[in-house]
Amino acid sequence: DAMVIQNPRYQVTQFGKPVTLSCSQTLNHNVMYWYQQKSSQAPKLLFHYYDKDFNNEADTPDNFQSRRPNTSFCFLDIRSPGLGDAAMYLCATSREPTRGTQYFGPGTRLLVL
Amino acid sequence: GESVGLHLPTLSVQEGDNSIINCAYSNSASDYFIWYKQESGKGPQFIIDIRSNMDKRQGQRVTVLLNKTVKHLSLQIAATQPGDSAVYFCATSNQGGKLIFGQGTELSVKP
Repeated sequence: DAMVIQNPRYQVTQFGKPVTLSCSQTLNHNVMYWYQQKSSQAPKLLFHYYDKDFNNEADTPDNFQSRRPNTSFCFLDIRSPGLGDAAMYLCATSREPTRGTQYFGPGTRLLVL
Repeated sequence: GESVGLHLPTLSVQEGDNSIINCAYSNSASDYFIWYKQESGKGPQFIIDIRSNMDKRQGQRVTVLLNKTVKHLSLQIAATQPGDSAVYFCATSNQGGKLIFGQGTELSVKP
């Protein structure tokens, strides 16, 4: 089945230690998104790639960066995780940015010690 | 600023009853509306969507109603089952494509 895959499902890191979360998709969608979701809150968009074009949200901290080496993969890099970065990180894809339904992966829960 | 809100943070229904989850949005330029279901520890799962040229759309056991006049969206679940227990998010977008999520309603189904 076509899907959005996130690895790992759970990630533990230390305060200040860089961490990378990964997302892959078999949907061949042009757009990939990264969201941060904290407990009992709505997902918050961090950034998205439309093909190779990177679009950062204005309030996304510089601590968060992303890479998309090809259509299928997208990475979220957190350079120096703080305690406030502990959250669920969701990857989503859509065919087009303006008309496409977004399909979400299962998420990676990040714990910062 | 643009916002999407839900009327109730929690909703409890008896198994077999119908559920109605409501959502209000503020941007009259919104032209795409979508409902997601999120179970604990999982990513949001697409349920149903509707575009602004429609006022009703039906899926399997779910119906979405759109009232553009009052900027109101609702999700109706027929014959609610324990497996429907989850947090439900509405989201809207305009031609800019960015989804604006509401805060979520937690649906609990009592057996």
